[in-house]
Amino acid sequence: KQEVTQIPAALSVPEGENLVLNCSFTDSAIYNLQWFRQDPGKGLTSLLLIQSSQREQTSGRLNASLDKSSGRSTLYIAASQPGDSATYLCAVIMEYGNKLVFGAGTILRVKS
Amino acid sequence: DAGVIQSPRHEVTEMGQEVTLRCKPISGHDYLFWYRQTMMRGLELLIYFNNNVPIDDSGMPEDRFSAKMPNASFSTLKIQPSEPRDSAVYFCASRDQETQYFGPGTRLLVL
Repeated sequence: KQEVTQIPAALSVPEGENLVLNCSFTDSAIYNLQWFRQDPGKGLTSLLLIQSSQREQTSGRLNASLDKSSGRSTLYIAASQPGDSATYLCAVIMEYGNKLVFGAGTILRVKS
Repeated sequence: DAGVIQSPRHEVTEMGQEVTLRCKPISGHDYLFWYRQTMMRGLELLIYFNNNVPIDDSGMPEDRFSAKMPNASFSTLKIQPSEPRDSAVYFCASRDQETQYFGPGTRLLVL
């Protein structure tokens, strides 16, 4: 059974700092990995999707990397801003299915 | 497109009552997913449909839960009878080629 773990559970940083969120998964037979953002009381917004054959994806100040063989992904946020404060969730889809398996998330607070 | 639409946004009911949650997926998306989010268990997939057909309902917790998708633009998740432990945020999501798009969720409180 696939298990997704995110570290740290919570993170508080001053504005402008670069930061890294970590995600690990136990079964490397994944089809792709996605990073989502969830604001309080809202739904999830997809940030980046990395196919299993890819090593990284970038969107603006966000960069996600994937090391499938070691079961790890990182989300790098450059020059953090207070508007980045949210919960960030990592999720994987297995090669043999359509179900997203989510981690518990990292709660990020960027202080101004 | 307006995105995935869910109704109601909030629901407060008493134990034993029937609850029906509604979802309108993004037009053209052929997959629809129902999730439940709680503090204790995080995000859990309950059931998903492909082309209106239920594919995997292994996440549905009990027979009290049922889901239907009568057409490509509408799905319901029903709980009957509801219990306090069903209190959670229920999300609907639809998918195009790769990415899932989530609705704003229905916050359910069962007293």
